[in-house]
Amino acid sequence: IAGITQAPTSQILAAGRRMTLRCTQDMRHNAMYWYRQDLGLGLRLIHYSNTAGTTGKGEVPDGYSVSRANTDDFPLTLASAVPSQTSVYFCASSDKAGVTQYFGPGTRLTVL
Amino acid sequence: AQSVTQLDSQVPVFEEAPVELRCNYSSSVSVYLFWYVQYPNQGLQLLLKYLSGSTLVKGINGFEAEFNKSQTSFHLRKPSVHISDTAEYFCAVSDQGGGFKTIFGAGTRLFVKA
Repeated sequence: IAGITQAPTSQILAAGRRMTLRCTQDMRHNAMYWYRQDLGLGLRLIHYSNTAGTTGKGEVPDGYSVSRANTDDFPLTLASAVPSQTSVYFCASSDKAGVTQYFGPGTRLTVL
Repeated sequence: AQSVTQLDSQVPVFEEAPVELRCNYSSSVSVYLFWYVQYPNQGLQLLLKYLSGSTLVKGINGFEAEFNKSQTSFHLRKPSVHISDTAEYFCAVSDQGGGFKTIFGAGTRLFVKA
């Protein structure tokens, strides 16, 4: 069982470029989440989806968009990357909202 | 609104010594409480959780935590740490309405020395 996979593992991106971070889960979980992790700030929720076809904004949604066309995939798009979006991005899922979250290995993104 | 405060950003400790990582939270509603561990270059994984019932919760790798409602705390403890426990530990709180309302603390870096 793979759990949650994320791609790419790391990426260096020029400011202004568009970038999509991929996230796929094989646990058939309804809920999925995107977090960014910054030193001293812990994890902050960017966007979430409680079920396929629905999405919602988290704590820091500006500059990011998501889609949830099916249960397994939850891509995160940066339409025009800025240096402040340099961070480690984690995708997570849970089988019942409010209980345990399962995390992917993360994507380290550097925007220059 | 909820918040989580991890009182120590770094905790150095010698191998086989006891350790306590402190976590306080604030919330106006009933909550679920979690501790997650992050090993270097990995994602987070659940260490233990409190949903209801006994206030003493046992998790993996010999860790335990105690929910104290009056002090709004959920401190993590281990009686004897190993080098392999070196990692970042995150306390998290979720109200009982949904996972998208999970708030994470800033993290505590546990460094176990030989």
